[in-house]
Amino acid sequence: NAGVMQNPRHLVRRRGQEARLRCSPMKGHSHVYWYRQLPEEGLKFMVYLQKENIIDESGMPKERFSAEFPKEGPSILRIQQVVRGDSAAYFCASSPDRGRFEKLFFGSGTQLSVL
Amino acid sequence: AQSVSQHNHHVILSEAASLELGCNYSYGGTVNLFWYVQYPGQHLQLLLKYFSGDPLVKGIKGFEAEFIKSKFSFNLRKPSVQWSDTAEYFCAVRLYYGGSQGNLIFGKGTKLSVKP
Repeated sequence: NAGVMQNPRHLVRRRGQEARLRCSPMKGHSHVYWYRQLPEEGLKFMVYLQKENIIDESGMPKERFSAEFPKEGPSILRIQQVVRGDSAAYFCASSPDRGRFEKLFFGSGTQLSVL
Repeated sequence: AQSVSQHNHHVILSEAASLELGCNYSYGGTVNLFWYVQYPGQHLQLLLKYFSGDPLVKGIKGFEAEFIKSKFSFNLRKPSVQWSDTAEYFCAVRLYYGGSQGNLIFGKGTKLSVKP
């Protein structure tokens, strides 16, 4: 059972371009979380999705950021018109259920660098 | 706002030294507590977790943590570190309020460097 797969591992974009980050959860996991880690900061929650639904996007910036988790395929975090401040490591995590004893499994992250 | 504080940004130890990494959170209600480790170039892995019961929790690779509710703390310990423990360690807390489950809140992390 492969772990949580994120790609690309490194992504370089120029200001104003779009960034698309992909996350394939572990097999059988229908809950996906995205976290962002800025330099010298801890991981900050961005969004929680369950197949085809956004459950909690309280950590997402109001503009330029969007996320989806379609019925088929990976979850996508999309950042439009990137700015230098978007440079960070973006981590995805998945879990099989949301219950009291939920355990998250993390991917290796995508390092986004905006030039 | 609820927060998680990790007191040490970078800890440097020699092999066989004892380790204690501090973690405090600011919330008086029900919590689940976690320590994650990130080895260089790898994903976050769960070291140990506390949900309820015995406040002394044992995890993988000889790590343990003690939940002290009165101090809002969940410090990570290991009696004798090895060079292979060099990594970044993250404390995380999940809050429960009004029957709802919150998302994981992470501390800023502590980098541990173990000298051979």
